[in-house]
Amino acid sequence: QVQLVQSGAEVKKPGASVKVSCQASGYSFTSYDISWVRQATGQGLEWMGWMNPNIVSTGYAQKFQGRVTMTMDTSIGTAYMELSSLRSEDTAVYYCVRRRCSRGCYLDYWGQGSLVTVSS
Amino acid sequence: QSALTQPASVSGSPGQSITISCTGTSSDVGFYNSVSWYQQHPGKAPKLLIFDVGDRPSGISSRFSGSKSANTASLTISGLQPEDEANYYCSSYTTSNALHVVFGGGTRLTVL
Repeated sequence: QVQLVQSGAEVKKPGASVKVSCQASGYSFTSYDISWVRQATGQGLEWMGWMNPNIVSTGYAQKFQGRVTMTMDTSIGTAYMELSSLRSEDTAVYYCVRRRCSRGCYLDYWGQGSLVTVSS
Repeated sequence: QSALTQPASVSGSPGQSITISCTGTSSDVGFYNSVSWYQQHPGKAPKLLIFDVGDRPSGISSRFSGSKSANTASLTISGLQPEDEANYYCSSYTTSNALHVVFGGGTRLTVL
């Protein structure tokens, strides 16, 4: 079965960077994009960007451009999301999600989430 | 402020039907047939309920249905059950260059 297993919780100081990993299994890793979505405590979902493992291209939400980098290691079926210059407002659960497209595109499998806490 | 507008909360009694609206613009909901809905229980990851406006993934109950008219999409849950109490989010692709995917702010469903 399709599974996305993410790395554990992190605590970072303001100004630092965090790198979250997402190991995929149960499907051909290069056949689907991976998106990243975050959710602050008690808040809604916020799309951060996507990466296509086949053509190694990315698309980032303008809000995160310059601070986020999404990469992949296709040899081990793992995606990474690195966010730099962290501030308290970046405290959130970060999800990796598989994107599937038919007539339209949608997020069909979600990782369990990785809590990132930014605190001095 | 979210790009798509959902009611903050809705409620219903077991066995009733409820509808959650999701209003966007001609640049997102109205432009694409790429509206999806997600259910999220507290402390859990979201789960896909509806994709491509009205299609259900395998394993999702037929009590969940989706539709769209112009710039507004809707999720209907019929035969409400206690386990339907959760947060529901709509999502759409957008023509905006600043953002590829937009979400609604979420709707809290309470089963009375």
